[in-house]
Amino acid sequence: SQLAEENPWALSVHEGESVTVNCSYKTSITALQWYRQKSGEGPAQLILIRSNEREKRNGRLRATLDTSSQSSSLSITATRCEDTAVYFCATENNNNRIFFGDGTQLVVKP
Amino acid sequence: EAAVTQSPRNKVTVTGGNVTLSCRQTNSHNYMYWYRQDTGHGLRLIHYSYGAGNLQIGDVPDGYKATRTTQEDFFLLLELASPSQTSLYFCASSSTGNTEVFFGKGTRLTVV
Repeated sequence: SQLAEENPWALSVHEGESVTVNCSYKTSITALQWYRQKSGEGPAQLILIRSNEREKRNGRLRATLDTSSQSSSLSITATRCEDTAVYFCATENNNNRIFFGDGTQLVVKP
Repeated sequence: EAAVTQSPRNKVTVTGGNVTLSCRQTNSHNYMYWYRQDTGHGLRLIHYSYGAGNLQIGDVPDGYKATRTTQEDFFLLLELASPSQTSLYFCASSSTGNTEVFFGKGTRLTVV
């Protein structure tokens, strides 16, 4: 979607390292969601951060939101091989629509 | 855990063929969605619905019809399948338009 875009397109790290995926968006949003899609599965939500929030955590995951620069980040600490997946950001707007980006492919190597 | 079940999981059809993809959710969610996923395009919304009998057009609707027969069931219809519709299709549901979206496991459709 042109309304949400993750970068970089792909990342590769070793187990135990930290990694950050960035998301930029182009519309006014009510919230931003991060999803993870493992091979052979549908996407699953990781974090939902509302427009009046700046940071949200879920275990090893931390999401930030900067509405002034229309950007968000998802950081994963102490990565594990099972974190290997495609990570999507998805923006919500006032029209009850959710727009997904094209995703970042993360590979975590042993 | 919210449940969205798609059938079939895999389907091969010929060009010009008629295909119906089925989706059932047991979450009592109002919203249901059909997405297609292709390499380099992420998730693209085909059709969605607010409730039984309601249908909304998504971003890539051409060549697709959809019907929401009950709150639980949402169908995607390809009446004249074309090779360009070869894709991975996901059904999803959410309680409202701006909450977590729960996805099914996907249907891989190949049009030969």
